[in-house]
Amino acid sequence: AQTVTQSQPEMSVQEAETVTLSCTYDTSESNYYLFWYKQPPSRQMILVIRQEAYKQQNATENRFSVNFQKAAKSFSLKISDSQLGDTAMYFCAFTGSWGKLQFGAGTQVVVTP
Amino acid sequence: DGGITQSPKYLFRKEGQNVTLSCEQNLNHDAMYWYRQDPGQGLRLIYYSQIVNDFQKGDIAEGYSVSREKKESFPLTVTSAQKNPTAFYLCASSIDGRKGEQFFGPGTRLTVL
Repeated sequence: AQTVTQSQPEMSVQEAETVTLSCTYDTSESNYYLFWYKQPPSRQMILVIRQEAYKQQNATENRFSVNFQKAAKSFSLKISDSQLGDTAMYFCAFTGSWGKLQFGAGTQVVVTP
Repeated sequence: DGGITQSPKYLFRKEGQNVTLSCEQNLNHDAMYWYRQDPGQGLRLIYYSQIVNDFQKGDIAEGYSVSREKKESFPLTVTSAQKNPTAFYLCASSIDGRKGEQFFGPGTRLTVL
């Protein structure tokens, strides 16, 4: 069975600083997709970034980037130049050949002035 | 505007009653999903549908039922058999239900009185 583990329940970062969220996963599949979703206080789930396992290049979306280590089954998210609007719960998610998303428990990010 | 709508935003139910949560999408996506989110936890899959007139149980389907008579619509019924239905419910859709990202609606908060 696929599992997704986020070991940091909460992270605090000051504005303009950088924070890195960790995520590890377990799967026997060779081709899959990984995602980071953001859930602000409004509770709307917003896709932040996606990574295809067969692509070695790490995905980047503006201030958000990932460090994808396939052999280690690690998929961390780096938020650069943190802004107050980045305060949210961040979920790591995995989908394999069956198309169902498996979510981690989430990491609460708090950006302080 | 293309997107996913869920209604109502808040729903109150008396014990023993069935209630139906609405989910509609105009993204022309084939696949649709229902998730449950409890406080401080990630999302858990209730049901999913990859094509019209077909749906599959997720990880926590007991006490829930769905239908998929139209591509655009995937209503979820919370039955009286669901012992602890108070939760936040999220509907999502994806283009083809294989490995693409899922897009989420704004959610419905269900409270049992």
